[in-house]
Formats: sequence, C-alpha cells, structure tokens
Amino acid sequence: DAKTTQPTSMDCAEGRAANLPCNHSTISGNEYVYWYRQIHSQGPQYIIHGLKNNETNEMASLIITEDRKSSTLILPHATLRDTAVYYCIVPHSGGSNYKLTFGKGTLLTVNP
Amino acid sequence: DTGVSQNPRHKITKRGQNVTFRCDPISEHNRLYWYRQTLGQGPEFLTYFQNEAQLEKSRLLSDRFSAERPKGSFSTLEIQRTEQGDSAMYLCASSSGTRPLHFGNGTRLTVT
Repeated sequence: DAKTTQPTSMDCAEGRAANLPCNHSTISGNEYVYWYRQIHSQGPQYIIHGLKNNETNEMASLIITEDRKSSTLILPHATLRDTAVYYCIVPHSGGSNYKLTFGKGTLLTVNP
Repeated sequence: DTGVSQNPRHKITKRGQNVTFRCDPISEHNRLYWYRQTLGQGPEFLTYFQNEAQLEKSRLLSDRFSAERPKGSFSTLEIQRTEQGDSAMYLCASSSGTRPLHFGNGTRLTVT
C-alpha cells in the first residue's frame, strides 16, 4: 500500500466542521484513497473513498488535491458520536482493496 | 443489512488452550476477511476467503492459526495452544466484489 501520513490527534468543537488531512505522496495513478473510522470497542466503519474527483456521501466529503498527493476528509457538522480514530488508506492497486494497511490513524475528539 | 456478526464478543482463556471464533458475514457477500488488532495499533490483515477458497494468508498467521469457510458462508478462526501474545481483537469483515469492506465488532481475546 502507498504510505499515508496523518496527524496523531485532532480536536473539534461540536457542530463545527472537522477537517482531517492525509498525505499520500507516493500514490499511483490508479490507486484509490479510502477512509475508515473506528469508534472505541467497535470494528472499523467505512466512510468514503475516491480516485480523483471530490466525493460526498451522507457521512462526509472527501477532497483530493489535483496532484493526488494529499486529501482531506470533512465531517461538516461534527457531533460527539464522531469521536473516533480515522484511518486514511491507499490499498495497493495490484490487488483488490481487501488488504488494507491501517496505520495508527488520527484520533478525532469532538468536544461539547 | 444485518451487518457482520462475530461470536463471542469476549473470550478469556488460559495459555495453552485452544479457542475458536465464529464470523457470520453479510449474506450476499462472497468475500470474507480476518484481521487482528492489538492495543493502540490499527488492524492487521490475517487472511482472506473468496467463497470457500482461502486465497491469501499473512505471515502473521502462524501454524497455530487456522481459518475455514466450509460452505462459503460463515467462517471460523481457531487458535491452538494459545500464547499471551495472541491477546488481541480479532476482526472479521466481508465484501462483495470490489466494494468496501464491512467489519464486525470483533472478538476480544485475553490469554492469561
């Protein structure tokens, strides 16, 4: 998998947008960027993924820079339940997306 | 979508005993994965099934570990002669085709 770099931790006020950055400077042209999150004592939860274009779903938005070397996950109105570890993952393009390398992720703490 | 189900949620065993965990994937998913997560780390890939065929095993999966998916539906992960280093969260995930993985909430194993 392409190596990803994320901050260890971030804080966000409840109701504000949470912007979580990820660097993936060695990403190849056909490799996707995936985001998962893991709330304490639960399994990882898929959030969103993208290749080149910005993506949005009911959970979040994903902004990928034009050179694809970095991306930002945006939670538009963070709630206390969004407190979790967020993982940015770029699976190797040679296989399917199953062999995910999670790293340590970013611990997002949403404060009241 | 009833989600991925894992049983038991918690297992405490003495060193040297054998343990078996069960995973029931989402019913229409043909792919099933096992991951392991130790405290403070992200999940690590162990093995992967497509239908009943085990297609890949990580070097993390020592000879004491065996996984099966006999009818291409549920899967079991057995650890023989458990060691304290086997203490971890064991996560199961499933997917269909190249769609993102859906994880269960894991089985937490404690070896005393």
